[in-house]
Amino acid sequence: GQQVMQIPQYQHVQEGEDFTTYCNSSTTLSNIQWYKQRPGGHPVFLIQLVKSGEVKKQKRLTFQFGEAKKNSSLHITATQTTDVGTYFCAGYTINDYKLSFGAGTTVTVRA
Amino acid sequence: DSGVTQTPKHLITATGQRVTLRCSPRSGDLSVYWYQQSLDQGLQFLIQYYNGEERAKGNILERFSAQQFPDLHSELNLSSLELGDSALYFCASSVLTSGAFTDTQYFGPGTRLTVL
Repeated sequence: GQQVMQIPQYQHVQEGEDFTTYCNSSTTLSNIQWYKQRPGGHPVFLIQLVKSGEVKKQKRLTFQFGEAKKNSSLHITATQTTDVGTYFCAGYTINDYKLSFGAGTTVTVRA
Repeated sequence: DSGVTQTPKHLITATGQRVTLRCSPRSGDLSVYWYQQSLDQGLQFLIQYYNGEERAKGNILERFSAQQFPDLHSELNLSSLELGDSALYFCASSVLTSGAFTDTQYFGPGTRLTVL
């Protein structure tokens, strides 16, 4: 079955630094979604990418969808303490109703 | 606030017992999803309902069952509970546009189940 892998599992970042988390699928995705879960909270939708090679930005967050629609990345610049949480990628494969989530990247920030 | 409600917020029970978790989707959303999140694990998809019918099944144990009622609220039933069933159970809802696989899922606050 489809597997969505995320690396790294944990990311410890100095405040102000940049980092990237990666998402890879074993099969072609129809789209990729990113969610953020704050400590003690529930996953909250951030963004969706649909087109091959698509790039979207949300302030300091940059999301990319690979050309083959099998991988994605989230890049955060100038990390802030508000960025703390777990970032999940999730994807639908074509004709599959199940949104498969990666295991998440848990981000901690050193002030 | 996502608009998805889940009750109860916390549940503590003993092994072998049965519990029911309840979810009310956002107004207008026809699809409900259930996920299990254990410590240090991601979101494990359990089951999805659309307008009262089961639409997709994930890694749901036979001891677990769910249903979606005519008013679109959903219940997840967990029986013969084991210690390993202790987890956070999330419900999510979406509109589920027909033929499209681009639905955003809106998650409820979750029910934390502790099995002692």
